[in-house]
Amino acid sequence: DTGVSQNPRHKITKRGQNVTFRCDPISEHNRLYWYRQTLGQGPEFLTYFQNEAQLEKSRLLSDRFSAERPKGSFSTLEIQRTEQGDSAMYLCASSQTGFYSGNTIYFGEGSWLTVV
Amino acid sequence: AQKVTQAQTEISVVEKEDVTLDCVYETRDTTYYLFWYKQPPSGELVFLIRRNSFDEQNEISGRYSWNFQKSTSSFNFTITASQVVDSAVYFCALSEVEAAGNKLTFGGGTRVLVKP
Repeated sequence: DTGVSQNPRHKITKRGQNVTFRCDPISEHNRLYWYRQTLGQGPEFLTYFQNEAQLEKSRLLSDRFSAERPKGSFSTLEIQRTEQGDSAMYLCASSQTGFYSGNTIYFGEGSWLTVV
Repeated sequence: AQKVTQAQTEISVVEKEDVTLDCVYETRDTTYYLFWYKQPPSGELVFLIRRNSFDEQNEISGRYSWNFQKSTSSFNFTITASQVVDSAVYFCALSEVEAAGNKLTFGGGTRVLVKP
């Protein structure tokens, strides 16, 4: 039974470069979430998918951010023209829908981004 | 709007002491879920417990116990006979209703330091 998998775990990039993170959710989960966590804070919601449809985007998600889940399985989060303020841990999570599924949301280990 | 408040930013105890983490939440929803997650130094968010708004029974799991009181909008977490391995940041989170995607709103976290 594999959990939510994220890679790369760590990424250091120069300001202005593009970065992409990948998330593989738990296989039977149809919902996938992206969160961002900065040091000393709780995670903040960025966006979520139900199957391949992106249903909501937070105002935190600027135009430089794009997320996809093309086949309803894995997802990618791309940040274009990175800025130092993008330095954070990007967390992916997944869950099943439906009341009886319990709606427990499981997180991956996160991808740390440092923009220098 | 949903809000979760963890008033304690850091708690330091000596091993074998009990520690209680407070969580107060705000929501207009009548159906919601509450979660506790543990974040050890490695960074991953580990799911501990999920409770729904209709079930106010307290729960005990090993050294962990939870006290859900709807009347005071609180969902407190107690670690009994703490151990060094319990050192981590603990987050309380509130989930929106199914139709809104069950997005999580996190508190700011409470750092627990258990000294030997």
